[in-house]
Amino acid sequence: EIVMTQSPATLSVSPGERATLSCRASQSVNSNLAWYQQKPGQAPRLLIYGASARATGIPARFSGSGSGTEFTLTISSLQSEDFAVYYCQQYNNWPPLTFGGGTKVEIK
Amino acid sequence: QVQLVESGGGVVQPGRSLRLSCAASGFTFSSYAMHWVRQAPGKGLEWVAVISFDAINKYYADSVKGRFTISRDNSKNTLYLQMNTLRAEDTAVYYCARGIAAAGELIDYWGQGTLVTVSS
Repeated sequence: EIVMTQSPATLSVSPGERATLSCRASQSVNSNLAWYQQKPGQAPRLLIYGASARATGIPARFSGSGSGTEFTLTISSLQSEDFAVYYCQQYNNWPPLTFGGGTKVEIK
Repeated sequence: QVQLVESGGGVVQPGRSLRLSCAASGFTFSSYAMHWVRQAPGKGLEWVAVISFDAINKYYADSVKGRFTISRDNSKNTLYLQMNTLRAEDTAVYYCARGIAAAGELIDYWGQGTLVTVSS
């Protein structure tokens, strides 16, 4: 089973600033990596797939990069609606699909 | 638009059973793999099970293998999760989700979830 590790667990950022979230896989997942956003009381929403492709309707301020074992989600200028928990998930070697533990982006 | 609506959650005693349902609309249900993913209170996401579009292939997380059964009725556009021998650690919000890509491995849409509480 591939273990996904996200850092940091919590990221405090001011509105308008850049946020950089990291995700590491215990072995290569090629580019088969997705990012999801989850707000309190809501279902997760797909942001990024294929490590760097934005899902339908996702603003350009969200970008993903990386391949193999190291991945990054960048939010270029945080808006109020972006404060949430973000999960990475690999879909290269499955089952099982595995998720990282999440990064909570909070208002500084 | 894609809609996934879960139902069937509730409070159940340890060792008992529960069946969850997920009603799908807004897409051709019979063409897509479907997943169940759960989230314990205050915790992260845990994948539970997947079923192929034609119900031929089914896979489970080790934590539920032998106790949970995923199934679907394409004539009713409905996904199911039969949960037997429930344990306290099965307490979670259960989401149904649509899978895309070659084998349905990428999840693109999620339902709002249904809460299952296992407690005496």
